[in-house]
Amino acid sequence: DGGITQSPKYLFRKEGQNVTLSCEQNLNHDAMYWYRQDPGQGLRLIYYSQIVNDFQKGDIAEGYSVSREKKESFPLTVTSAQKNPTAFYLCASSQDSNQPQHFGDGTRLSIL
Amino acid sequence: QKEVEQDPGPLSVPEGAIVSLNCTYSNSAFQYFMWYRQYSRKGPELLMYTYSSGNKEDGRFTAQVDKSSKYISLFIRDSQPSDSATYLCAVLPRQAGTALIFGKGTTLSVSS
Repeated sequence: DGGITQSPKYLFRKEGQNVTLSCEQNLNHDAMYWYRQDPGQGLRLIYYSQIVNDFQKGDIAEGYSVSREKKESFPLTVTSAQKNPTAFYLCASSQDSNQPQHFGDGTRLSIL
Repeated sequence: QKEVEQDPGPLSVPEGAIVSLNCTYSNSAFQYFMWYRQYSRKGPELLMYTYSSGNKEDGRFTAQVDKSSKYISLFIRDSQPSDSATYLCAVLPRQAGTALIFGKGTTLSVSS
């Protein structure tokens, strides 16, 4: 089945630790996105990538980093500089930036 | 003024009711309009996608866009308990290389 796979489903971070969230898609989509969802805040864009080896900052990129070395993969690293990382993280992809986005089922990150 | 405004609800209706969900947007450059449904602890699922003024129907769901008023709506006929979810509207600017802008979502509860 074609789709977007996010792992792990739940993740716990210790103080001062970097953690990496995985996002893989087999839809052959060019564009990929990372969002953060907090209660009452809606979806906020962290980073997006329209093509391999290129990505742009979204509205809340501080404390996060990404890479796009392969078309199907767009991992997100939550660094220790992100002081409030507890949230639901959603990865999405689209055929190009003018097409609807399709989402994975998210990773819930919590602080230990 | 936020670019996309959506009443967060919650909205509670009895089974079989007609539901109306609404968003307003501020920028006339927005060209594409979408509705997503999100169940608890899941990623958003694309329900409707349109780029023109008027109505688009898919089963019990009708998406309506009024570009002159900058107003988009989603109507759900014969609502079912399985429709209980958060509904997110999203808009996409005409400019290439930009990302979706989401409303904060309306939480709907349909009681049997």
